[in-house]
Amino acid sequence: AQRVTQPEKLLSVFKGAPVELKCNYSYSGSPELFWYVQYSRQRLQLLLRHISRESIKGFTADLNKGETSFHLKKPFAQEEDSAMYYCALKGSNYKLTFGKGTLLTVNP
Amino acid sequence: DAGITQSPRHKVTETGTPVTLRCHQTENHRYMYWYRQDPGHGLRLIHYSYGVKDTDKGEVSDGYSVSRSKTEDFLLTLESATSSQTSVYFCAISDGTGSGNTIYFGEGSWLTVV
Repeated sequence: AQRVTQPEKLLSVFKGAPVELKCNYSYSGSPELFWYVQYSRQRLQLLLRHISRESIKGFTADLNKGETSFHLKKPFAQEEDSAMYYCALKGSNYKLTFGKGTLLTVNP
Repeated sequence: DAGITQSPRHKVTETGTPVTLRCHQTENHRYMYWYRQDPGHGLRLIHYSYGVKDTDKGEVSDGYSVSRSKTEDFLLTLESATSSQTSVYFCAISDGTGSGNTIYFGEGSWLTVV
């Protein structure tokens, strides 16, 4: 079975502060990990995937297989980063399993 | 954005009535999915399709059925809607399971069962 855990339902930071959204996973094989972002009442948008190792909107995420984690980080949060963030895992089948999400609020 | 259209976008229906949500894609992708999104639960997979007439259940399939008679359309039916099915429903598509293949989402359908 595959499982994704996002331990924080809510995360509040001030503008300019570093932010880290935690994601842990459980999967017996070699997973693909993703971060999706959802702005208010909009569709989910792909933010990052671990395979591409890219940085989008200043966010980065590193897959740590030893700790089974894929935490999302940004050194300086911006107000426009306020959104719901979902970590997701795709296993060897074609299913994408999501965590329950973390609502990030960046205060001015 | 990937070419995914969901209809209707908003619907209010009464308990016990049938409801069908439609997902239409213009990308010719093989895989299609229906998720529901609820506060505190994130997104949960209802049903998915891996080809025309090929479908299977997700983690919350009870009370839902699906059909895919052609590549571009994936229908989700609530045979007899209940208040617990009030939710936001998202369709998603993917072109494969290979490394790097990404799942893209539609804009969502807001369903209220009264």
